[in-house]
Amino acid sequence: DAKTTQPTSMDCAEGRAANLPCNHSTISGNEYVYWYRQIHSQGPQYIIHGLKNNETNEMASLIITEDRKSSTLILPHATLRDTAVYYCIVSLFQGGSEKLVFGKGTKLTVNP
Amino acid sequence: DGGITQSPKYLFRKEGQNVTLSCEQNLNHDAMYWYRQDPGQGLRLIYYSQIVNDFQKGDIAEGYSVSREKKESFPLTVTSAQKNPTAFYLCASSPPGTGAYEQYFGPGTRLTVT
Repeated sequence: DAKTTQPTSMDCAEGRAANLPCNHSTISGNEYVYWYRQIHSQGPQYIIHGLKNNETNEMASLIITEDRKSSTLILPHATLRDTAVYYCIVSLFQGGSEKLVFGKGTKLTVNP
Repeated sequence: DGGITQSPKYLFRKEGQNVTLSCEQNLNHDAMYWYRQDPGQGLRLIYYSQIVNDFQKGDIAEGYSVSREKKESFPLTVTSAQKNPTAFYLCASSPPGTGAYEQYFGPGTRLTVT
């Protein structure tokens, strides 16, 4: 089972910031939070990941709360092409390797 | 261009037939993965391979088989034992030393079994 909880869907106006929340209250101290997105009928695309500190790259920003029990992915200026399902993932260590466990994600719709 | 290719994009088979899905990468990645996605659901891990000639079962390996004879290739066979094979199948790979986060996904193969 996925170790994260996300809203099923969200809407955002084009040009505005999209803030996607994620709860991961059972996260362990050495587990990272990853964000991927999947545009309809394509393979998922890696966006960003973080452990404790806030992170930013050319695609998005990741804000992790101090207790690490939740995080928010921020798309600063959403475009129509950002419409996708966004997955918040806490990796699972199993059998000596780290694996991703995808939940159902949040379907973000960016409206014109 | 470097990347992951999966072929074909759409595949149709009759029930009771085995079918093999292709996954090739020219990224020189060590680890490769197979996922299954059903409508409205997240991805579920079928099999993964950290190195050539080695692979491990994921969460839903029953009815599937894989091989990893070459670094570039990780074919998935959907056998007749898989009770609900119709799904979208995704292959991914990751570079050495990056753990799980930097997985690069192929475009997927949509398998329909009737």
